Amino acid sequence: DTGVSQDPRHKITKRGQNVTFRCDPISEHNRLYWYRQTLGQGPEFLTYFQNEAQLEKSRLLSDRFSAERPKGSFSTLEIQRTEQGDSAMYLCASSPTLPGNEQFFGPGTRLTVL
Amino acid sequence: AQTVTQSQPEMSVQEAETVTLSCTYDTSESDYYLFWYKQPPSRQMILVIRQEAYKQQNATENRFSVNFQKAAKSFSLKISDSQLGDAAMYFCAYNNNDMRFGAGTRLTVKP
Repeated sequence: DTGVSQDPRHKITKRGQNVTFRCDPISEHNRLYWYRQTLGQGPEFLTYFQNEAQLEKSRLLSDRFSAERPKGSFSTLEIQRTEQGDSAMYLCASSPTLPGNEQFFGPGTRLTVL
Repeated sequence: AQTVTQSQPEMSVQEAETVTLSCTYDTSESDYYLFWYKQPPSRQMILVIRQEAYKQQNATENRFSVNFQKAAKSFSLKISDSQLGDAAMYFCAYNNNDMRFGAGTRLTVKP
């Protein structure tokens, strides 16, 4: 296994369009996390999954954002009706179940909303 | 809500010297985990060091060590014998169930 992968690496879209990102975690990891990182800031937690169950969602995750992990493996993050303020790096991470375990991060998807 | 504060937006160190990056956090929990992550330019975030709150002994990983002061809610990172490859953004993070990150410290290493 080569680590956490994310696709696409870059996405440019026009305001109002929908976008979907994919994350493939390390195969034996039960937990999968989504973060958003803007320039000069640390990652902000969006949501996480334990297997296919979405256990927590941040208040940052507006109704336009939805995440799924249907089979407990890969996950998708969809943003509907994108806004310029959605421009950011979207990071995915995975870890084994226990909360103190290291999270392994993917390379991120950089979203630019024009 | 748990918050993590890194008060040094930028730090600079001479190669082979020692530098300390500061981090404070706020929590009402007694059991949690603290991390330092490194994010090199245009590269993935990688773990530097981890500390379990119930352990009094400070974690050490080669040239990296922490000074964990639980009562003061302080978790600083010391980098000894700094190398050019240490140049990166460093993020302090608190973990109970989800991870909360500080705003980061940009470390520059001067040759």
